[in-house]
Amino acid sequence: ILNVEQSPQSLHVQEGDSTNFTCSFPSSNFYALHWYRWETAKSPEALFVMTLNGDEKKKGRISATLNTKEGYSYLYIKGSQPEDSATYLCAFGNTDKLIFGTGTRLQVFP
Amino acid sequence: EAGVAQSPRYKIIEKRQSVAFWCNPISGHATLYWYQQILGQGPKLLIQFQNNGVVDDSQLPKDRFSAERLKGVDSTLKIQPAKLEDSAVYLCASSFAGGQGTGELFFGEGSRLTVL
Repeated sequence: ILNVEQSPQSLHVQEGDSTNFTCSFPSSNFYALHWYRWETAKSPEALFVMTLNGDEKKKGRISATLNTKEGYSYLYIKGSQPEDSATYLCAFGNTDKLIFGTGTRLQVFP
Repeated sequence: EAGVAQSPRYKIIEKRQSVAFWCNPISGHATLYWYQQILGQGPKLLIQFQNNGVVDDSQLPKDRFSAERLKGVDSTLKIQPAKLEDSAVYLCASSFAGGQGTGELFFGEGSRLTVL
């Protein structure tokens, strides 16, 4: 059974704090690692799709790193804002499917 | 560019009743996915279509769930009869290319089902 684990399950931070989450995945048959942001009552939207070991991607205040050899990815948010409040999902792509983790729910308080 | 459209957004039914969800993917996207997301769990793939052919339906409970994608565009997911444990958000997603999980998925807003 392929397991994708995310930690922490939930996080509460103050506006301006920086934070990071972890996604752990199997290190064999790796094809891609996706990060999605899912705001309440909206559709999940892609943040990053990473395919190479050592990949680092950045979008505004959000960045992600990838280590395929040890099977983990980190998502960083610098200077959190209330609009960053959402569930952050990672998904591991192997040879034939995409498997999602349970997500990290972030709440940013003003 | 129009996004992935899903309907209905919310549905409440009693157990043993039937329900159908509809999805219209982004134009030109060959691959369409239906995911089930139960509260506290990650989205679970129910079925994946490539054009109008089924690529993966290994986790679809075929005794009660069915899905079709006629003409390789719109898709419907049906549950008959519904059970309490089917209460979940049903997410439809599409991607330009399928397979190997390398293509970004575009999701609809989901259909939230409550079975009483």
